[in-house]
Parts: sequence; structure tokens; C-alpha cells
Amino acid sequence: GENVEQHPSTLSVQEGDSAVIKCTYSDSASNYFPWYKQELGKRPQLIIDIRSNVGEKKDQRIAVTLNKTAKHFSLHITETQPEDSAVYFCAAIRTGGFKTIFGAGTRLFVKA
Amino acid sequence: ETGVTQTPRHLVMGMTNKKSLKCEQHLGHNAMYWYKQSAKKPLELMFVYNFKEQTENNSVPSRFSPECPNSSHLFLHLHTLQPEDSALYLCASSQEGGRVNQPQHFGDGTRLSIL
Repeated sequence: GENVEQHPSTLSVQEGDSAVIKCTYSDSASNYFPWYKQELGKRPQLIIDIRSNVGEKKDQRIAVTLNKTAKHFSLHITETQPEDSAVYFCAAIRTGGFKTIFGAGTRLFVKA
Repeated sequence: ETGVTQTPRHLVMGMTNKKSLKCEQHLGHNAMYWYKQSAKKPLELMFVYNFKEQTENNSVPSRFSPECPNSSHLFLHLHTLQPEDSALYLCASSQEGGRVNQPQHFGDGTRLSIL
């Protein structure tokens, strides 16, 4: 069945460094790729998303890249801050579909 | 943001009890979702409703019974649960209207513990 693999499962960086999280999806019909951040004890919240008609999208310190041929997409966080510490989830969805396939999550620690 | 509200926040129940989880969204969305979140596992989609009609049932055991009386409210009725059903149950909503997917907005979840 469809799945999304996410790596790494845990990532520890020093404040100010960059963090990169990578996802690979199996369903070639996927065309919408959101990223969610979940702080401890809180709800997942959308931080950025990308659609298949673009290869890159940026919002301040956060960027996402998409390689449809390789079925890879990645989250890049620059100049990390302690408040970036959280679990990040990637997801893939088909056009007009409701079935969202999530990655297993990456726990990011940003050390001050 | 309190666009999606879930009650209760915590629930402890025995395996023979019957309880219900409630979700309400104030965002004017037409699609609502139930997810199960267990430790170290991906978010698992359980059910999806679009305009009150169920569009997805992800092979969920019958001891979980969803109900969607209108586009703003979603329930998950629980009966004869097992210890492995202990998890965080998240509700989400989104505005879906065609070929362009929209992001989902999540509630804070109900932390369910089965004794």
C-alpha cells in the first residue's frame, strides 16, 4: 500500500545550525505535500506545504523542496532556534483525495 | 487557535465501557477526520467525512463507530476497547472542494487510556 518514509527519526542540532528532514513517498499520484509541527502536548500545526507543480517553496527560515521524479521531498530549517524543537511530520495526499499518508515523524532537538 | 475543539481532553475507561469522543469545528470546513496517534508510529487515518458522508474507513475495527450529524460535528463512539487502543485521538477538518487539496486543521486530541 501507499506509505511515506521519513528520516531521520531523531535530529539534534546546535542553535543557529540548519536542519534537514527528508521524506520519500510511494504513491506517484500524490501531488500535495504538507509539513506539520507538533510541540509536546500540543496539536499538529501546518508550517508549510508544497504542490506538485512547484519544486521549491520558502517561508522565512523554512523551505521545502520537491523532486517528483525521485518521489522525494525535504524540509529545511535554517538558523534554528530552541523553539524549533518539536516533532515534524511530512505527509502526502492525492489530487482531490482525502487519504493523507503521514511519515513517522522526526523529533528535532535544538540545543542552546 | 481554537478552530477545532475536542472533548474530553483525557479519558480513562475499562474495556467494557462505552464512551464517546466529540469534535467540533468552527472553521466552516466540509471535511472532518479522525486520526489515531500512537508513540513512535505515523499518524493513522481512521475515518473521513465529507459533507456528512463517510468517504474513508481505513479498515478500523468495529469497536470504533464514527458519527457525523453535520459538517461541524464529529463523534467517535467507543465500545469494548482493547489495551492497544490506548493512544491520542486527533480530530481534524479541512475545506475540500475539488482538485486542490487544502491543509488540515487539528484539534488538541483526546488522550485515551484503556485499563
